[in-house]
Amino acid sequence: ETGVTQSPTHLIKTRGQQVTLRCSSQSGHNTVSWYQQALGQGPQFIFQYYREEENGRGNFPPRFSGLQFPNYSSELNVNALELDDSALYLCASSGRTSGRDEQYFGPGTRLTVT
Amino acid sequence: AQSVTQLGSHVSVSEGALVLLRCNYSSSVPPYLFWYVQYPNQGLQLLLKYTTGATLVKGINGFEAEFKKSETSFHLTKPSAHMSDAAEYFCAVSDRGRGSTLGRLYFGRGTQLTVWP
Repeated sequence: ETGVTQSPTHLIKTRGQQVTLRCSSQSGHNTVSWYQQALGQGPQFIFQYYREEENGRGNFPPRFSGLQFPNYSSELNVNALELDDSALYLCASSGRTSGRDEQYFGPGTRLTVT
Repeated sequence: AQSVTQLGSHVSVSEGALVLLRCNYSSSVPPYLFWYVQYPNQGLQLLLKYTTGATLVKGINGFEAEFKKSETSFHLTKPSAHMSDAAEYFCAVSDRGRGSTLGRLYFGRGTQLTVWP
């Protein structure tokens, strides 16, 4: 059992609305990555945050934005929601603990846009 | 650029049979390679990973994978399938990120494993 949690677990939004998803990182980790997994697809990288700075971004429009806090938890914000934004959003916490590289995924947030 | 190809979107085996899920990757740098499993309505669970060292990697639940650089492959195997192995499996490749230990993951499209009794 990892310490990576995501909230909420499910939510339903209407096209055009805005949404904020949250992710807590594993203790000792300083990096959080966000992925979008559409139905029947592999996860697609949205962006990564390392020590509160964006550290790489995938092919997603600017209406996808993020934030990492001093405690290394993170938020994903999506503005002007579109129907195609319906997906499972996964965050991954990573870092080096006891000399080992670690990365753990959270359980995900299922977003439905109607 | 890095990419992953998983051959076969669906694989079906009988309980007790060999499981073989295929993964080929493309990478411009020495890769880190991963296999994840996803059960319905859940997140991703790491089965195993290759970073450096021994090319035969053993993971959880009896799975193992072999990194073959000459074939750019990282196929996942299990000698004897169990009903509980039925799930979606994803192969992924990564590079090292700035400062952080792991960069972005590039995932394949996934292979759905069905296990028949």
